[in-house]
Amino acid sequence: QSALTQPASVSGSPGQSITISCTGTSSDVGAYNYVSWYQQLPGKAPKLMIYDVSNRPSGVSNRFSGSKSGDTASLTISGLQAEDEAEYYCSSFTSSSTGVFGGGTKLTVL
Amino acid sequence: QLQLQESGPGLVKPSETLSLTCTVSGGSISSSSFYWGWIRQPPGKGLEWIGSIYYSGITYYNPSLKSRVTISVDTSKNQFFLKLTSVTAADTAVYYCALDVGGYFNRFDPWGQGTLVTVSS
Repeated sequence: QSALTQPASVSGSPGQSITISCTGTSSDVGAYNYVSWYQQLPGKAPKLMIYDVSNRPSGVSNRFSGSKSGDTASLTISGLQAEDEAEYYCSSFTSSSTGVFGGGTKLTVL
Repeated sequence: QLQLQESGPGLVKPSETLSLTCTVSGGSISSSSFYWGWIRQPPGKGLEWIGSIYYSGITYYNPSLKSRVTISVDTSKNQFFLKLTSVTAADTAVYYCALDVGGYFNRFDPWGQGTLVTVSS
């Protein structure tokens, strides 16, 4: 199974909105609404930010939102803050009953 | 509040077997709808799902690792385990255990803090 495709890096200024894409295939992202997004700060374990495409766990800011169109899922962060600077990973269930992660996207807050 | 903690050797020799334990506290490993997963991250690289297990013993593995991986569970100790055989330097990584909510291998929450395993002679 191949990793989901994410841009290596994105950047934005405080207060702006950014979107990170996660492209899979009709066998994973396109087939199921089991797409999640994780935030990983340096030296820390990943933190779940979005699950099942667009659901936020309790305690996650509503500045984080998720969506999906076809084989591509997206994470949008609005009102960008310095504390959002981190690595972001998407993940998906696959038709082979396995899990797959994206390669990760480094978000820089300018 | 559910917490997970990985434990095991931090150094493994090439060709030997990597063995890790994840201890679950604050809840039962036998809860329905809860799967338990292992994920790893080589230094400076991305995340890789290794596999997941249900408390009954049903397992799912990453096809790229399946021939070398065994995940098992001990409900009496509220622990689950990872064994990876014939390790090489490419298996050097931070290994995380996590609750896999729903068993669709995408909703991991919470995670353990992770444990670095280095493969070296």
